Amino acid sequence: DAGVIQSPRHEVTEMGQEVTLRCKPISGHNSLFWYRQTMMRGLELLIYFNNNVPIDDSGMPEDRFSAKMPNASFSTLKIQPSEPRDSAVYFCASSFRGTGKGYTFGSGTRLTVV
Amino acid sequence: AQKITQTQPGMFVQEKEAVTLDCTYDTSDPSYGLFWYKQPSSGEMIFLIYQGSYDQQNATEGRYSLNFQKARKSANLVISASQLGDSAMYFCAMREGNRDDKIIFGKGTRLHILP
Repeated sequence: DAGVIQSPRHEVTEMGQEVTLRCKPISGHNSLFWYRQTMMRGLELLIYFNNNVPIDDSGMPEDRFSAKMPNASFSTLKIQPSEPRDSAVYFCASSFRGTGKGYTFGSGTRLTVV
Repeated sequence: AQKITQTQPGMFVQEKEAVTLDCTYDTSDPSYGLFWYKQPSSGEMIFLIYQGSYDQQNATEGRYSLNFQKARKSANLVISASQLGDSAMYFCAMREGNRDDKIIFGKGTRLHILP
């Protein structure tokens, strides 16, 4: 089991640039979650998918953020245009819906927008 | 309103002592799940323990146990015989109901184990 795989691990970009974060969930998991972690706001749920369908995107901060899950093994979180206040660690997590147990998190992407 | 409250931003504990990390929650849903995660300085999120609202017994996983007091809406994590490697950030989290899977996190408690 390779776990949840996120890429890149670190990303430094200039304000105004487009940023794409990637996530490969654990095979067989049918729920996928994107979280953002900052010192000020802690861990915030941005969006989650079930069977590749977005279920709740109420945590997406604004229209600059978008997320897709074109198939069961891949998801992206895109920020366009990026701003310095988007600097954070972005986590992807997956689970098998119905077990009700804990998620498995990826290692996170540390994004710095300068 | 905060749904998960962790009142201890930081704690210092002597190695080998037991540790209790506090967590209170707020929900009107009779069905819910409670979780604890550990985040060491390396940054990864590690699932520790789970308690369902209908579970009759407190959950245990090795040195971790969850002191579940339903009437008080309390779900404290107890770490027995603490080790230096337990130094980390600890997050309490909750899933409400069974209809969806999203879980929300508390602000966390930073635990320092002293040699």
